[in-house]
Amino acid sequence: DVKVTQSSRYLVKRTGEKVFLECVQDMDHENMFWYRQDPGLGLRLIYFSYDVKMKEKGDIPEGYSVSREKKERFSLILESASTNQTSMYLCASGGGGPSNNEQFFGPGTRLTVL
Amino acid sequence: AQKVTQAQTEISVVEKEDVTLDCVYETRDTTYYLFWYKQPPSGELVFLIRRNSFDEQNEISGRYSWNFQKSTSSFNFTITASQVVDSAVYFCALSLHNAGNMLTFGGGTRLMVKP
Repeated sequence: DVKVTQSSRYLVKRTGEKVFLECVQDMDHENMFWYRQDPGLGLRLIYFSYDVKMKEKGDIPEGYSVSREKKERFSLILESASTNQTSMYLCASGGGGPSNNEQFFGPGTRLTVL
Repeated sequence: AQKVTQAQTEISVVEKEDVTLDCVYETRDTTYYLFWYKQPPSGELVFLIRRNSFDEQNEISGRYSWNFQKSTSSFNFTITASQVVDSAVYFCALSLHNAGNMLTFGGGTRLMVKP
């Protein structure tokens, strides 16, 4: 059974804290993605990775960084959390190739920054 | 750049009604893929369907059906005889060929099915 897991379902942090969101997939997928979801805006891509140690900026990378040291794990880092980063964060993975473009999603992490 | 628009932000129906969720997309590419995902209250997006740009055949899966029309750049989703369990947020998305899984999502439509 396909599985993408995220380290926390709910997280509360204070402004200025460094925050790590972890994502693990067990499907041996090359591609992994981080999105944030806000009401009315749908899902917006923050960063993605095509391979270990590779990363690419998405549509809204400001204030975020990522790390992919192993194929199965993709971490999203908020270097100094701010209240406007309060959101739902969704991780996804997908196989490589031009038509293997279905993404599988984790359950999401609802982050609140106070 | 590509864009996906879901003009209906929220729809409310009574159980057993049919409901259609609209999706309009923009792209200059000729090869692309369209998706629908369901997000139930639990939060996890569930894949429903993928269509490629060369296959305009409508698809039916149980109570779900999809109408893809390139002439109007639309990929609409109809639920027949809706049920309370269909209540969720539904997202339409677009991916370009050779874009490595990159998806552009619409803003989502929240469907509420009342008993």
